[in-house]
Amino acid sequence: TQLLEQSPQFLSIQEGENLTVYCNSSSVFSSLQWYRQEPGEGPVLLVTVVTGGEVKKLKRLTFQFGDARKDSSLHITAAQPGDTGLYLCAGATERGSTLGRLYFGRGTQLTVWP
Amino acid sequence: DTEVTQTPKHLVMGMTNKKSLKCEQHMGHRAMYWYKQKAKKPPELMFVYSYEKLSINESVPSRFSPECPNSSLLNLHLHALQPEDSALYLCASSPLPGQATEGETQYFGPGTRLLVL
Repeated sequence: TQLLEQSPQFLSIQEGENLTVYCNSSSVFSSLQWYRQEPGEGPVLLVTVVTGGEVKKLKRLTFQFGDARKDSSLHITAAQPGDTGLYLCAGATERGSTLGRLYFGRGTQLTVWP
Repeated sequence: DTEVTQTPKHLVMGMTNKKSLKCEQHMGHRAMYWYKQKAKKPPELMFVYSYEKLSINESVPSRFSPECPNSSLLNLHLHALQPEDSALYLCASSPLPGQATEGETQYFGPGTRLLVL
């Protein structure tokens, strides 16, 4: 069973379109990270959200953490070909007892066509 | 600076070889991690070192042997691997393991692409 359900798994859009990626769970997370990964490279951190209801913006990317800290979304405005990659959400469920364990979603493979 | 470095970038080895992967961070992070990642899948946790002590071993076969010589370095020793062990091996570090939210954020290295023949 997957602790974090990420959707959609694949997304293929034209340049200029908007999109949203979702990560949902029945568990509460103390923090949640979003990463972007290119083939053969390591995941690059985009953002960490820690407070329920928190919204963070990174240029055209908007990240939201649900009020109950069980879900998160990533919204991209006016997508560009450079946004193409694998987007991963990952959450830490507890402090202390599950020391260092991150639970990953399955990932969303985004392709933006020029 | 949030850089984690890994060497080598690529590695090809036979099933009888012994090799090591190396990871280094100079951010003062107290937790370091090894992950294995197959194509188009999320990373799978292998080992966690917290304050230089092994805190999590995800039932990884003994042909993988981790080592943390000091707080900045993490090694993964490989011996008698199988072709199915071919994957991208990722190292990560985080500031404060299991404490204070932002301290849980993990920063990944670029990975070592391993091919076992």
